[in-house]
Amino acid sequence: AQKVTQAQTEISVVEKEDVTLDCVYETRDTTYYLFWYKQPPSGELVFLIRRNSFDEQNEISGRYSWNFQKSTSSFNFTITASQVVDSAVYFCALSEGNSGYSTLTFGKGTMLLVSP
Amino acid sequence: ETGVTQTPRHLVMGMTNKKSLKCEQHLGHNAMYWYKQSAKKPLELMFVYNFKEQTENNSVPSRFSPECPNSSHLFLHLHTLQPEDSALYLCASSQPNNGGSYNSPLHFGNGTRLTVT
Repeated sequence: AQKVTQAQTEISVVEKEDVTLDCVYETRDTTYYLFWYKQPPSGELVFLIRRNSFDEQNEISGRYSWNFQKSTSSFNFTITASQVVDSAVYFCALSEGNSGYSTLTFGKGTMLLVSP
Repeated sequence: ETGVTQTPRHLVMGMTNKKSLKCEQHLGHNAMYWYKQSAKKPLELMFVYNFKEQTENNSVPSRFSPECPNSSHLFLHLHTLQPEDSALYLCASSQPNNGGSYNSPLHFGNGTRLTVT
């Protein structure tokens, strides 16, 4: 069975600090996909990134970067120079790639509070 | 109008009421999903429709009844709910996966905040 663990329930930082959100996953499949979503107070989950299990290259998008390590089953998310607008709940999710649609298993989420 | 739209945004209902949640997507996707988000619990998948056919029912009680009349619309009919059903109900849609080599991200609506009294 697949499982996603986000051990950090809540993180508080001051603006301009760097922050890393941890994600550890479990799956028996060799083909799988990992996702990060952001949920601001408005409620909508906003898609941030998808990685497949074949590609361990780290990715950077502006202030966001992701570190995928199969050896430790981790897919961590770092925000550099955090801003107040980054305050939200962040979810890591896993999908096994053997059906015609995506059924995501989510972690419990990490609430990030960025204060000015 | 683009994206995934859910109505109503907030709903308060008694345990004997019947109500429906509506979801509409304007993204041309063929798969639609209902998720339940309760406090301090992971998002729980409830139902999946792929090309209008229900493909997943994640052991959801029968007091929740989904309906997918076409690929753009998804409903969740509610009746005789319990207080523990109070939660944020999220609708999502996605493109079909491409032979397993591409797992489409889900696009979510803002959700319906349901309170059962």
